[in-house]
Amino acid sequence: GQQLNQSPQSMFIQEGEDVSMNCTSSSIFNTWLWYKQDPGEGPVLLIALYKAGELTSNGRLTAQFGITRKDSFLNISASIPSDVGIYFCAGQDTDKLIFGTGTRLQVFP
Amino acid sequence: GAGVSQSPRYKVAKRGQDVALRCDPISGHVSLFWYQQALGQGPEFLTYFQNEAQLDKSGLPSDRFFAERPEGSVSTLKIQRTQQEDSAVYLCASSVSPIYEQYFGPGTRLTVT
Repeated sequence: GQQLNQSPQSMFIQEGEDVSMNCTSSSIFNTWLWYKQDPGEGPVLLIALYKAGELTSNGRLTAQFGITRKDSFLNISASIPSDVGIYFCAGQDTDKLIFGTGTRLQVFP
Repeated sequence: GAGVSQSPRYKVAKRGQDVALRCDPISGHVSLFWYQQALGQGPEFLTYFQNEAQLDKSGLPSDRFFAERPEGSVSTLKIQRTQQEDSAVYLCASSVSPIYEQYFGPGTRLTVT
């Protein structure tokens, strides 16, 4: 099935560093979402974006809906150990979500 | 309950057995979705319900997969004659309407031996 291109595939960073990841698509989406998934759990919604160009923050997380509607970015500032996990972008295509391939984040103290 | 719940959390089936996976959506959420997540991949859409109506089943991989939501609340995903390639995590999500954010349950990990 279709999956969005997400990069980087994995990141190994030190606690306190900022993190950036992005997601690109060949299709236009009207809604972009970012989820975090811990091992053995379902994805947890972090941020939802509804308008092209929109910049939205949720605590240390900031996400942007690309102006072309074909990409989105997620930034995490001042990373902490509990940020460890897999981050997925998702574009909403009418009723269904199309997910990215995921970015695995490791944070070292 | 406060969130989406799924049962069982883990299921081991022998090849050829039928399995049934249950999803309890967030109370009041009319939209319910099923996704399949293979190891190391993002979730992939299987099917979507609006209340009791199954409006999209385009993602179901074969006619061995069947989903229902008879009273517009709890949903069951059934897989008949399981095959090894059916091994995956099956995620359920719900939302207040199809265009709003989807909230996921913890998933059922199915292993077919």
